[in-house]
Amino acid sequence: GDSVTQMEGPVTLSEEAFLTINCTYTATGYPSLFWYVQYPGEGLQLLLKATKADDKGSNKGFEATYRKETTSFHLEKGSVQVSDSAVYFCALSPTNTGNQFYFGTGTSLTVIP
Amino acid sequence: GAGVSQTPSNKVTEKGKYVELRCDPISGHTALYWYRQSLGQGPEFLIYFQGTGAADDSGLPNDRFFAVRPEGSVSTLKIQRTERGDSAVYLCASSLFPTNSPLHFGNGTRLTVT
Repeated sequence: GDSVTQMEGPVTLSEEAFLTINCTYTATGYPSLFWYVQYPGEGLQLLLKATKADDKGSNKGFEATYRKETTSFHLEKGSVQVSDSAVYFCALSPTNTGNQFYFGTGTSLTVIP
Repeated sequence: GAGVSQTPSNKVTEKGKYVELRCDPISGHTALYWYRQSLGQGPEFLIYFQGTGAADDSGLPNDRFFAVRPEGSVSTLKIQRTERGDSAVYLCASSLFPTNSPLHFGNGTRLTVT
């Protein structure tokens, strides 16, 4: 079945460091891919998305490229800030149904000054 | 505009009791989802509504769980004979379209069964 495998955390980085959080997926067809973020005390919110192969989603300095050949959607940011401390979830929405989103287990990021 | 609203934010109940969790989606969103998130895990799909009908309830763990959306807006997740294993954060989300639209989540209801 469809699934998402996400890099385990927690991840601790110094401010201005480079961030990569790995995400790979298993799916039939051509799913849409998402990164959601959960800041402390808040609900999950969409960070970025990509709906087809080679698309790059970007938002708030974060980027992720939909790589069909490696079934990956890794999240990157060139220079993290303390305010980026949160839990990041990779998610997949299958094209055949669209109603079930499959989430990874989440990666906790802490950025220290 | 207002986001997805879930009430209560916290619910503590005794094993065996009945609970109802409410979700008020974003106005105009036709699709509504319930997810469950256990500690250290990602959200796990429970049920999806398109309008008033449950289009997919394949994620409901057993027949103690039931959800309704009678007027196509507010939804209630109902859990009968609660068990300690039901303790989790129950998340509601809505989306404008049912296919591949981003989900807008509420802050969740933290259910603790003692």
